Amino acid sequence: RKEVEQDPGPFNVPEGATVAFNCTYSNSASQSFFWYRQDCRKEPKLLMSVYSSGNEDGRFTAQLNRASQYISLLIRDSKLSDSATYLCVVNPPRGAGSYQLTFGKGTKLSVIP
Amino acid sequence: DAGVTQSPTHLIKTRGQQVTLRCSPKSGHDTVSWYQQALGQGPQFIFQYYEEEERQRGNFPDRFSGHQFPNYSSELNVNALLLGDSALYLCASSLRTKKVEQFFGPGTRLTVL
Repeated sequence: RKEVEQDPGPFNVPEGATVAFNCTYSNSASQSFFWYRQDCRKEPKLLMSVYSSGNEDGRFTAQLNRASQYISLLIRDSKLSDSATYLCVVNPPRGAGSYQLTFGKGTKLSVIP
Repeated sequence: DAGVTQSPTHLIKTRGQQVTLRCSPKSGHDTVSWYQQALGQGPQFIFQYYEEEERQRGNFPDRFSGHQFPNYSSELNVNALLLGDSALYLCASSLRTKKVEQFFGPGTRLTVL
């Protein structure tokens, strides 16, 4: 089983739609969770951290379910500028390798006019 | 506030050659991590440096080595290049006290022919 698995995509959605991305992780002791956004041929940029209580940043909502080892990202009212690849990122547990980020393969989102 | 910078932007090498990639961290950051991102994949952790020493290492062969300088900048060296080393090489910087909060540079795109 891969350490971080994401929906393969691509997701093609019309402007204004709501879209959700899912991600599962294999190590139940993982400490930190993030969503990164990566535009075509650019570097990944931190979109938001993910907390057990859930967190929201404008049109973006992230949720973490530790029991199910599941992370989600919801984008409401999609904009053309949201078109990008969304990477689910997990930080392994404390100890060896505790500061490396483990990335999923990413899910590509295309928002269509 | 200067972000993470990397050089060169693009590089073409042939099999068996050696390459050195360079990274300057974001102002105020003292920790540098290197990642390899193959086409269609998420970034994979290579190693992390702080206090001029390699502190964490991912699943990469010894052909991949690095160095950190007193000014916190870093180099990634790859010897005996293989076709499979073709990828985007990303440098990420962070504070030692917040190692998981990593900011990425634009990357160096390496093509091995």
